[in-house]
Amino acid sequence: EVHLVESGGGLVQPGGSLRLSCAASGFTFSSYAMSWVRQAPGKGLEWVSDISGGGAGSYHADSVEGRFTISRDNSRNTLFLQMNSLRAEDTAVYFCAREGAYDMGWYFDYWGQGILVTVSS
Amino acid sequence: DIVMTQSPDSLAVSLGERATINCKSSQNVLYSSNNKNYLAWYQQKPGQPPKLLVYWASTRESGVPDRFSGSGSGTDFTLTISSLQAEDVAIYYCQQYYSIPYTFGQGTKLEIE
Repeated sequence: EVHLVESGGGLVQPGGSLRLSCAASGFTFSSYAMSWVRQAPGKGLEWVSDISGGGAGSYHADSVEGRFTISRDNSRNTLFLQMNSLRAEDTAVYFCAREGAYDMGWYFDYWGQGILVTVSS
Repeated sequence: DIVMTQSPDSLAVSLGERATINCKSSQNVLYSSNNKNYLAWYQQKPGQPPKLLVYWASTRESGVPDRFSGSGSGTDFTLTISSLQAEDVAIYYCQQYYSIPYTFGQGTKLEIE
């Protein structure tokens, strides 16, 4: 059974940093692209970043470009999101999600439960 | 960016009746080389992550009840629930994965009338 478990969220001041992790199990992690998707309180879904199965390719939304970096450690079956220069508008629940194949550009077939990131002074 | 627009924003349907949610993309999401529409539908219940219902616009995900069906092509898509059940109360999102950035519709809140 596929499991995705996010960790590393919490309260951070504007301008601060956080590193989110997503521990994957139940499938061959390196065979799938992965994404981060966020949802601000009471709002809809916003794709943030994705990375190919091997980690060679990645993309970020314009709203986080230059501030967030997605990465993965296939030896540890773990996805990361390094978030720097955080802003109030980054406050959201962050979900990691598996894409349907190795390459990027697929639907999200499994999602973690999400982790809350709150940016506030 | 491809803008995804859903209609209606909210919908109340009686138990056992049909529910129809529409999704329109600002650009074509049909990839001509494989004739696939890069369009997915998700269901999200309160406090839960989204759940994949339909991908390639009309392929039902394994385990999803057959009362859920997706249709459409190009820029206009529909999610239909043929006979509404109480457990279908949720917010439904369409999403294009044709091009970066992947974008979602604003969501349609489905309630029981």
